Amino acid sequence: GENVEQHPSTLSVQEGDSAVIKCTYSDSASNYFPWYKQELGKRPQLIIDIRSNVGEKKDQRIAVTLNKTAKHFSLHITETQPEDSAVYFCAASYSGGSNYKLTFGKGTLLTVNP
Amino acid sequence: GAVVSQHPSRVICKSGTSVKIECRSLDFQATTMFWYRQFPKQSLMLMATSNEGSKATYEQGVEKDKFLINHASLTLSTLTVTSAHPEDSSFYICSATPPDRLETQYFGPGTRLLVL
Repeated sequence: GENVEQHPSTLSVQEGDSAVIKCTYSDSASNYFPWYKQELGKRPQLIIDIRSNVGEKKDQRIAVTLNKTAKHFSLHITETQPEDSAVYFCAASYSGGSNYKLTFGKGTLLTVNP
Repeated sequence: GAVVSQHPSRVICKSGTSVKIECRSLDFQATTMFWYRQFPKQSLMLMATSNEGSKATYEQGVEKDKFLINHASLTLSTLTVTSAHPEDSSFYICSATPPDRLETQYFGPGTRLLVL
């Protein structure tokens, strides 16, 4: 099955700096890579996703890059703000029959210091 | 759009009792719903995949007789934790996929279960 590794497990940055979180996956059949933000005790919220036919996607301060050959993808947050503090999860999925099952990384606790 | 609700948000029960958790897609019909368990400071672990009108598919190591899943309609799936024990205490989260974006999962707010 799929295995997703995520690094770092914790990341502390100063407000205004950039933050980068990296993930690798094992199954070359995976073709969809979402990123979720989870605040303490809350639901995971989809913040950006990328499909395997695209190398990069950007949405305001958030961007994701994908390298299919190396099987890794990264989340980039620029101009970080204290409200960006949360746990971020990467995930990978492929269609197993008609269902897309997500395999999650272990998460990165991002702390943005004012 | 793509709103998923869960009920209850938290429940405390005695060991040996059963607890039912509901997951609803409020503004779309979900052919597939997923159930996850999340322990403190850990990632989401998929328990089972639920398709409307058919039996759920459980992940390896998840006891199907302990975690009963029913997906009776396109907007409702239920998870029943039978004969709950303290080790079942966890954060249970469901997700649902809209029919036009089968790869995207939208999560419910979660149910925190505490078994005494």
